[in-house]
Amino acid sequence: GAVVSQHPSWVICKSGTSVKIECRSLDFQATTMFWYRQFPKQSLMLMATSNEGSKATYEQGVEKDKFLINHASLTLSTLTVTSAHPEDSSFYICSATGQGDPDTQYFGPGTRLTVL
Amino acid sequence: RKEVEQDPGPFNVPEGATVAFNCTYSNSASQSFFWYRQDCRKEPKLLMSVYSSGNEDGRFTAQLNRASQYISLLIRDSKLSDSATYLCVVNIRNYQLIWGAGTKLIIKP
Repeated sequence: GAVVSQHPSWVICKSGTSVKIECRSLDFQATTMFWYRQFPKQSLMLMATSNEGSKATYEQGVEKDKFLINHASLTLSTLTVTSAHPEDSSFYICSATGQGDPDTQYFGPGTRLTVL
Repeated sequence: RKEVEQDPGPFNVPEGATVAFNCTYSNSASQSFFWYRQDCRKEPKLLMSVYSSGNEDGRFTAQLNRASQYISLLIRDSKLSDSATYLCVVNIRNYQLIWGAGTKLIIKP
């Protein structure tokens, strides 16, 4: 089946630093990748949608200059949290859809970010 | 009103029992519906899609009621391994998934 990986699985950083999270589709080409954020006991919230080679589309309320998304290839998307603050601490999950099955999203295992 | 609403639970159910929970959605233009399962601190995994005619996968049955705008999930002969949070997901239009906050299910021996 389709596999999506994320790296790192968890990260602890100091306030003010930037953190990059990678999302890779391992055995398929991901035409679209999605980035979600989940706070404890809350639903997943879509942050942005990105298509390979084009700029990401951000959801309302998500700062594009703070959450930089790069989708440089059909198998890799990165999310960079710039100047992280404690309120950015959350569970970040990516998902991807493939060319042959655009209606099914395959999720990565998530990255737990803690900003001190 | 939230776009997708679920009872957060937890539902505490003895092993072997049948449990059902609902999810309501507000957008009548919603196109497709899913149930995901999420274990603690893990990513959500697709449990099943929900079709208009209702569908069954082993011990799991999902149903859609468009008139009343809700979907349901029924789990029969519950197992300890069914303990998880069940997320209701609604596809408004292309790729726009709206997620419920989840219903926590605890199966007790």
